[in-house]
Amino acid sequence: EPEVTQTPSHQVTQMGQEVILRCVPISNHLYFYWYRQILGQKVEFLVSFYNNEISEKSEIFDDQFSVERPDGSNFTLKIRSTKLEDSAMYFCASSVGGFRTEAFFGQGTRLTVV
Amino acid sequence: QKEVEQDPGPLSVPEGAIVSLNCTYSNSAFQYFMWYRQYSRKGPELLMYTYSSGNKEDGRFTAQVDKSSKYISLFIRDSQPSDSATYLCAMSDSNYQLIWGAGTKLIIKP
Repeated sequence: EPEVTQTPSHQVTQMGQEVILRCVPISNHLYFYWYRQILGQKVEFLVSFYNNEISEKSEIFDDQFSVERPDGSNFTLKIRSTKLEDSAMYFCASSVGGFRTEAFFGQGTRLTVV
Repeated sequence: QKEVEQDPGPLSVPEGAIVSLNCTYSNSAFQYFMWYRQYSRKGPELLMYTYSSGNKEDGRFTAQVDKSSKYISLFIRDSQPSDSATYLCAMSDSNYQLIWGAGTKLIIKP
């Protein structure tokens, strides 16, 4: 069964450092998303990506964040100058056709900023 | 205002019971309603997807949407210990952004 794959499963970084979270969406999917979930809090939308550009982003997704699809398979989230409050689970998801179709989520990357 | 309310629980029921999980929302523009299941340390897994009002049934799961009351429900029949997880409601208007509830932790006791 096809699945969304995220690496690494756990990333520890020092405050102020840059991190790149990686995702391999399902191969025939066209829409890609990043969400985060701070421990004990709601899942929060960060950004959606379609046709090699951002289709929507939330207020959380400020200049500190960027996304890229560097090749035909990877979808990355870059966080520049990490802060303690960036510590969270980051989930990548993909879907065939926006949220009118089923979105599949990866297992998540746990980011810990120390 | 985009806000979804969901009781975090935990909700503990005996095996075989019918489980009722609920969310309320304030934004009348929401049209797409989903229920996700999340096991500990895993990503959310889509259980049910409904558009607008009405009921949808899939095996032991039934989703109901009442747009007039801004209220959605997920029913689980013949609950099993393997159903123990956190259940998240999520909803969307015509754009790509999903708005999530806090999740209800469900415990099915053998």
